[in-house]
Amino acid sequence: GENVEQHPSTLSVQEGDSAVIKCTYSDSASNYFPWYKQELGKRPQLIIDIRSNVGEKKDQRIAVTLNKTAKHFSLHITETQPEDSAVYFCAASMESGGGADGLTFGKGTHLIIQP
Amino acid sequence: NAGVTQTPKFRVLKTGQSMTLLCAQDMNHEYMYWYRQDPGMGLRLIHYSVGEGTTAKGEVPDGYNVSRLKKQNFLLGLESAAPSQTSVYFCASREQGSGPQHFGDGTRLSIL
Repeated sequence: GENVEQHPSTLSVQEGDSAVIKCTYSDSASNYFPWYKQELGKRPQLIIDIRSNVGEKKDQRIAVTLNKTAKHFSLHITETQPEDSAVYFCAASMESGGGADGLTFGKGTHLIIQP
Repeated sequence: NAGVTQTPKFRVLKTGQSMTLLCAQDMNHEYMYWYRQDPGMGLRLIHYSVGEGTTAKGEVPDGYNVSRLKKQNFLLGLESAAPSQTSVYFCASREQGSGPQHFGDGTRLSIL
């Protein structure tokens, strides 16, 4: 089955700086890569996703890049703000062909924004 | 439009007791999922369903059963609860084909 590795487990950055979280996946058939943000005691919330036919996607301060050859994808947050503090999870799945297998998640990155 | 609703929100059980967690979605989604979240482990898939009357095993199915008798509901059962099943359980749903998974607020379950 799919295996997703996520690094680092904890990331502390100064407010206003950029943060980068990296994930690798093992199954070359995976074609859908979402990122979720989870605040303490809350549900995971989708912040951005990318499909394998795209190399980069951006939404305001958040961007995701995908390297299919190397099987890794990254989350970039620019101009970090205190409200960005949370746990971030990457995930992978094979979405095409009607596949309904659930997401395989990384173990999460605790992002801490220092004032 | 409530999205994905999980009940109960909290529960404490004794070892050996049984219970059922309910997930209901009002988005007419075909696919539904049950995950468990443990500290430092991320979310892991327990069981999933691709439609009414169908279920399939995920990564960690042992000790759990599921049923999807109605399209909008996905039930997760623990027949004989064990302390190792202490966790936060999340339900999710999504449209057939492509689309993001929408998560419920979770059920925090403690087995003593």
